[in-house]
Amino acid sequence: DVKVTQSSRYLVKRTGEKVFLECVQDMDHENMFWYRQDPGLGLRLIYFSYDVKMKEKGDIPEGYSVSREKKERFSLILESASTNQTSMYLCASMGGATTEAFFGQGTRLTVV
Amino acid sequence: AQSVTQPDIHITVSEGASLELRCNYSYGATPYLFWYVQSPGQGLQLLLKYFSGDTLVQGIKGFEAEFKRSQSSFNLRKPSVHWSDAAEYFCAVGVAGGSYIPTFGRGTSLIVHP
Repeated sequence: DVKVTQSSRYLVKRTGEKVFLECVQDMDHENMFWYRQDPGLGLRLIYFSYDVKMKEKGDIPEGYSVSREKKERFSLILESASTNQTSMYLCASMGGATTEAFFGQGTRLTVV
Repeated sequence: AQSVTQPDIHITVSEGASLELRCNYSYGATPYLFWYVQSPGQGLQLLLKYFSGDTLVQGIKGFEAEFKRSQSSFNLRKPSVHWSDAAEYFCAVGVAGGSYIPTFGRGTSLIVHP
């Protein structure tokens, strides 16, 4: 079975902390994504990566950065967490244009 | 840029009734189309996808969807809903030959009454 694994299901962090969300895929996919999911807003793309060390901003990159040092791992970084970043974060990977995205279980982040 | 509209935020059906969830996309060329399901607290799972060919697509769990180019629609259907189908459903579009990043609709929450 293909697998996308997010390191934490639930996280509680304090305002101003630096937060790392990790995502690992075992499918040798080139493309990886970070989405944020909020009620009524669906999934919004934060960042994506189409190769190691390559990254592109999505629709809502402000307050976030990413790192992709290895093909299988894509990290989302909240430089200084704020309460409006409380959300569900979903990582996905994709092999190419004619394939579907595979999702991790999600990380529910609460910033207090 | 492509976009996806799911006009229904919530849909309530009785168990055993038929279901249709609506999805409209905006894009000039032939899109790649997907339906995903998300159970509470989980990630998204692919139900079915359309890339080309037969416009009626069969998926898992008894779901099907029909691509109608003239209406820019890709509605999801199931003839008889089970209580376990209660979940959030997302339609997504990717673009053939262009930016392949899937763009998602806002989702439709399905409530199933016994």
